[in-house]
Amino acid sequence: DQQVKQNSPSLSVQEGRISILNCDYTNSMFDYFLWYKKYPAEGPTFLISISSIKDKNEDGRFTVFLNKSAKHLSLHIVPSQPGDSAVYFCAARVLTTRIGGSEKLVFGKGTKLTVNP
Amino acid sequence: GAGVSQSPRYKVAKRGQDVALRCDPISGHVSLFWYQQALGQGPEFLTYFQNEAQLDKSGLPSDRFFAERPEGSVSTLKIQRTQQEDSAVYLCASSLYGETGELFFGEGSRLTVL
Repeated sequence: DQQVKQNSPSLSVQEGRISILNCDYTNSMFDYFLWYKKYPAEGPTFLISISSIKDKNEDGRFTVFLNKSAKHLSLHIVPSQPGDSAVYFCAARVLTTRIGGSEKLVFGKGTKLTVNP
Repeated sequence: GAGVSQSPRYKVAKRGQDVALRCDPISGHVSLFWYQQALGQGPEFLTYFQNEAQLDKSGLPSDRFFAERPEGSVSTLKIQRTQQEDSAVYLCASSLYGETGELFFGEGSRLTVL
């Protein structure tokens, strides 16, 4: 069962336009949602996060929106730049306190964003 | 550097060989994670350490996989009798416990089993 889903494997946008990446989840126990960016042959790097009690978080060109009733979040990049071309992973954190405080991130399969000059 | 360091970056093993992958987390980070990323997939959780205690190993695919972090810093992921389906990138990540879930990932160790 895939608890975090990114249904679009790829997205192509023009430089300067908005990129919107989407993510759906099924587990109501997630307390934080995060977006990671990954370039080839590198590890994922943290981009932006949002608490489950918020509905929006903004950091420069990046904004994450959370719709808890729909179990949906999205990442907006405005304006998009060629250097934003990468694979973007949506991730959600779950705490398993019954195991003495364990935590883990559950990742989606990723969306490959291409920003064309 | 100050980031998470993993070695080796690339490992080719013959089926049936044992391999060991090393992770040096960011100094002071309590939490350490191992993830497995197959081609075209997102990272899949393997195991979690809080200091030297392995609190969650629910993601380890079989008893051929073993992880340790004996002194609460460096960690080793060992795979015994490797199989072709073990071919993947193994990612190590560390974090300060209790923060917002932000993990700092290493560059990964790419394992190819022939």
